[in-house]
Amino acid sequence: QQQVKQSPQSLIVQKGGISIINCAYENTAFDYFPWYQQFPGKGPALLIAIRPDVSEKKEGRFTISFNKSAKQFSLHIMDSQPGDSATYFCAASTTSGTYKYIFGTGTRLKVLA
Amino acid sequence: GAVVSQHPSWVICKSGTSVKIECRSLDFQATTMFWYRQFPKQSLMLMATSNEGSKATYEQGVEKDKFLINHASLTLSTLTVTSAHPEDSSFYICSAQDRTNYGYTFGSGTRLTVV
Repeated sequence: QQQVKQSPQSLIVQKGGISIINCAYENTAFDYFPWYQQFPGKGPALLIAIRPDVSEKKEGRFTISFNKSAKQFSLHIMDSQPGDSATYFCAASTTSGTYKYIFGTGTRLKVLA
Repeated sequence: GAVVSQHPSWVICKSGTSVKIECRSLDFQATTMFWYRQFPKQSLMLMATSNEGSKATYEQGVEKDKFLINHASLTLSTLTVTSAHPEDSSFYICSAQDRTNYGYTFGSGTRLTVV
């Protein structure tokens, strides 16, 4: 019930292409779904987040698509650039009290120049 | 935006010694901070939840006597790895929540190597 399944484990995309990473959750109490970007040797940085009252959120080249009925959400990176090469983690949590993130297993993205 | 400073960024220590890692929220007060451990090419593993002015809550399987957490103020939490051994070598990351939004801000991490 507490798991967040993330796929693919790794992804190689050509420069200018679209990178798509998917996550699925089980706990219907989750109501906050952030995506984090992590470069080697650095802490994760919040990229974009969504709450279940909307089905899509876009910030620049990054878009989250959210399907509440399927309990799935995905990150789309448009016009992928070599500088986007990093590990991406999805997460899920509730937003009440002291809530803890449940992280996905991560996706290592490599964008070829 | 919210900034979390973590220090040191890397440390090498001898087996049997203790190491302290600091996590500071620079521009906001954090009543709750989290400590994670990350192995190479793996996800973040939550170790404990640090609450200001009270005892930390440890996740199952985490030795509270080995990983001492102190959250003495609203802007500082520390993690002390006591009697460190090579198997404690890892990347340790803290996070804190700026209550103006739901997201947690992470520190830059500390690479601990025990030799």
